[in-house]
Amino acid sequence: GAGVSQTPSNKVTEKGKYVELRCDPISGHTALYWYRQSLGQGPEFLIYFQGTGAADDSGLPNDRFFAVRPEGSVSTLKIQRTERGDSAVYLCASKRGLNTEAFFGQGTRLTVV
Amino acid sequence: EDKVVQSPLSLVVHEGDTVTLNCSYEVTNFRSLLWYKQEKKAPTFLFMLTSSGIEKKSGRLSSILDKKELFSILNITATQTGDSAVYLCAVERQGGSEKLVFGKGTKLTVNP
Repeated sequence: GAGVSQTPSNKVTEKGKYVELRCDPISGHTALYWYRQSLGQGPEFLIYFQGTGAADDSGLPNDRFFAVRPEGSVSTLKIQRTERGDSAVYLCASKRGLNTEAFFGQGTRLTVV
Repeated sequence: EDKVVQSPLSLVVHEGDTVTLNCSYEVTNFRSLLWYKQEKKAPTFLFMLTSSGIEKKSGRLSSILDKKELFSILNITATQTGDSAVYLCAVERQGGSEKLVFGKGTKLTVNP
């Protein structure tokens, strides 16, 4: 596609439920990133994929968070047993290669009630 | 720990004014500094500044990088209401994942 696509745009879920957020990067971009942005803050790094493998998952806050990219393109961020503190905008970004700029998707606004 | 501090956190101006947004940083093995404009949810890329490109300009927007003093500024001249947004500064280190470390952003409001 022309840009990074994220679905859904908005997701409201009940505390304790499981959610999946999807990211479709720009075609041909091998690097994919997930960030989380809380109100009034800048985006914070969660996880980085180079191809199919998670090369850096140091930003994942705990083991309730997991992400996959099985075919090196679309990625899914999975959150188990959601908590109200997980409410945020989840942003996905992709890059063509080293030393290039990252392009961001529109984000998914997750609200845990 | 890498750190990015932006100032001011918010700014209100009138159309036609010139604004300067500031970004100071501390990062190990600096590779680049990037500026993004965020309207609603998606940050959109403005500039990337590296050792080989410390000044960039695009229309009414320009940015410089001072690697010695560890800061960058983003200038917007002849502001328009469409410039209203949050402007994010981020740094990237060499090697590893090239993840971005962001500041909190500057919220710019341009009134007619």
